[in-house]
Amino acid sequence: KQEVTQIPAALSVPEGENLVLNCSFTDSAIYNLQWFRQDPGKGLTSLLLIQSSQREQTSGRLNASLDKSSGRSTLYIAASQPGDSATYLCAVRTGNTPLVFGKGTRLSVIA
Amino acid sequence: DAGVIQSPRHEVTEMGQEVTLRCKPISGHNSLFWYRQTMMRGLELLIYFNNNVPIDDSGMPEDRFSAKMPNASFSTLKIQPSEPRDSAVYFCASSPSIAEVGKLFFGSGTQLSVL
Repeated sequence: KQEVTQIPAALSVPEGENLVLNCSFTDSAIYNLQWFRQDPGKGLTSLLLIQSSQREQTSGRLNASLDKSSGRSTLYIAASQPGDSATYLCAVRTGNTPLVFGKGTRLSVIA
Repeated sequence: DAGVIQSPRHEVTEMGQEVTLRCKPISGHNSLFWYRQTMMRGLELLIYFNNNVPIDDSGMPEDRFSAKMPNASFSTLKIQPSEPRDSAVYFCASSPSIAEVGKLFFGSGTQLSVL
């Protein structure tokens, strides 16, 4: 059974700092991996999707990498802003099963 | 498009009462998912439908939980009788198809409190 772990559970950084969020998964035979953002009281919004054949995806200040063999992914946020404060969730899809989510990292960017 | 619409946004009820959560998926989406989110367990998949047919309900915690999708534009999640440990945020999500989970759209959730 696929398990997804995210470390740290919470992170607080000053504005402008670059930061890395970590995600690990137990079954490396994944189909794809996604990073989502969740704002308080809201649903999840997809940020980046990495297919199993890809090593990374970029969108603006966000860069997600995937190392399938080691069961790890990172989300890099450059020049963090207070508006980046949210919970970031990692989710993996294995075969035809729906996404399995980590518990998320709660990020606070302090102005 | 208005996105995935869930109702109610908040529900407070007493233990033993029946609770019904509602979801309207994005028009044209053939797959619908019900998730539950708690601090302890994170986001858990309860059940998902494809073309209105339940595909996997192994995540439904107990027989007290049931879900239906009578047509392509409406789904319900029912808890009867409700218990305090059911308190959580329940999310509905839809995607164009099972294969296109990269295009998964979430509703804003229903915050359920069972007293």
